[in-house]
Amino acid sequence: DVKVTQSSRYLVKRTGEKVFLECVQDMDHENMFWYRQDPGLGLRLIYFSYDVKMKEKGDIPEGYSVSREKKERFSLILESASTNQTSMYLCASSTTWTGGLETQYFGPGTRLLVL
Amino acid sequence: AQSVTQLGSHVSVSEGALVLLRCNYSSSVPPYLFWYVQYPNQGLQLLLKYTSAATLVKGINGFEAEFKKSETSFHLTKPSAHMSDAAEYFCAVSRGSQGNLIFGKGTKLSVKP
Repeated sequence: DVKVTQSSRYLVKRTGEKVFLECVQDMDHENMFWYRQDPGLGLRLIYFSYDVKMKEKGDIPEGYSVSREKKERFSLILESASTNQTSMYLCASSTTWTGGLETQYFGPGTRLLVL
Repeated sequence: AQSVTQLGSHVSVSEGALVLLRCNYSSSVPPYLFWYVQYPNQGLQLLLKYTSAATLVKGINGFEAEFKKSETSFHLTKPSAHMSDAAEYFCAVSRGSQGNLIFGKGTKLSVKP
C-alpha cells in the first residue's frame, strides 16, 4: 500500500523560530510537493521537486525553502516562522511526469500553529 | 493558463439524495481533470480522473463525473448520498509540467440523516 508520512500531525512554534516539516514516501516516486491548505483558499503549491537536489518554486514560495537530499524525503523549512504561516501543510508525491495524468498521493498533513 | 472554479463552498444533502458538486475549468489545451476527497483529519485521496478516454468517468465509492467540453465542466455526482460521504471535495486540473496540479477552493459536503 502506498504511503506518504509526515513527521508531525500537530506543531506549535513561536514567531521567529526555524521550523522543519519532514515528508517521507515509500513509493520510489520522483516528484514530491508541498502545499498549504487554508479555509476558503483550497490547496496552494509552495514548492515541488522532480528529482533529488532539484526544486522548483510553486505559487507561494515566499518565506519557505525546501531540501531534497534523498529521493524518499522532502523537507519544508520555514526560516523564520510568522503568524501568517499558521496553516495545514500537506505533502504529496507522484511518479515522474508522463503527460499530466499522474495521481498525487498525499500525507495526512501537519497542522502548524505559530504563536 | 489553466484554472478551476468550484461553485459552492458548502453543499448539504439528505442521506439518500443526489449529490452534485460543480466544477468548471479553464484550459488552453485539452485538460486532464481530477477529483480528490479529503475526509476529516486526513490527507487527500483520488476519487477519479478524466483522461480523455471517456467523457463519463467512474470513481471510487459510487462517484462519477462527466466531462462536458461545451460547458467546460466536470461535475461530480453520486445518485444516493451516504453519511460516510461527508468530506471536502477538490477539483483539480493538470498544469502540464512535472505533474503539477491546480486545485479549486474545495466544496464541503454535509450529509443529514
